[in-house]
Amino acid sequence: ETGVTQTPRHLVMGMTNKKSLKCEQHLGHNAMYWYKQSAKKPLELMFVYNFKEQTENNSVPSRFSPECPNSSHLFLHLHTLQPEDSALYLCASSQEQRGGGDTQYFGPGTRLTVL
Amino acid sequence: AQTVTQSQPEMSVQEAETVTLSCTYDTSESDYYLFWYKQPPSRQMILVIRQEAYKQQNATENRFSVNFQKAAKSFSLKISDSQLGDAAMYFCAYRSKETSGSRLTFGEGTQLTVNP
Repeated sequence: ETGVTQTPRHLVMGMTNKKSLKCEQHLGHNAMYWYKQSAKKPLELMFVYNFKEQTENNSVPSRFSPECPNSSHLFLHLHTLQPEDSALYLCASSQEQRGGGDTQYFGPGTRLTVL
Repeated sequence: AQTVTQSQPEMSVQEAETVTLSCTYDTSESDYYLFWYKQPPSRQMILVIRQEAYKQQNATENRFSVNFQKAAKSFSLKISDSQLGDAAMYFCAYRSKETSGSRLTFGEGTQLTVNP
């Protein structure tokens, strides 16, 4: 248990559905991240929220919409996804300082299947 | 941009033996972190060990140790007395220390099998 939880753990959705992934960290961290892990590919960073502000969007399609209402919670809203979006979505958090960052701790992931 | 390379897609080791996983990286920065993460079949990404670039001493965590060669940009992981529970995908990762909220750059991973 790393102190980062994700729900749901598994999600199957059709291409026309709208769903949301939730991440919560209990570590008192101030930065949160969404990563995508597809089969046979390195982990790809999707979004970064640093001090609750989105500081990076790694050219992610608009059908993925992040939301960070506070420093402990991070959502990923999904809409009109494609089958190639099927992957493991990992959330992470870290404690950042203005001059730099440190270790990122990961949640267990949400396994997403788009039919 | 930084890159991380793991040249061994798969490795195997006998239980109780020692195995070394390789990692090289490319960066123009002088201050950064390097990590090894383990991802077992449960898919949870677990931190194994962390190294700060400015520390010359190699990091050690129980049976896990690293050989950090900054000039060569090499960061290998040694697992001693391998156990069945060590079987997992191992990822080497780089992170800038100079920028707040910076990304982790991961290698492609090495799948480690431990044979009883």
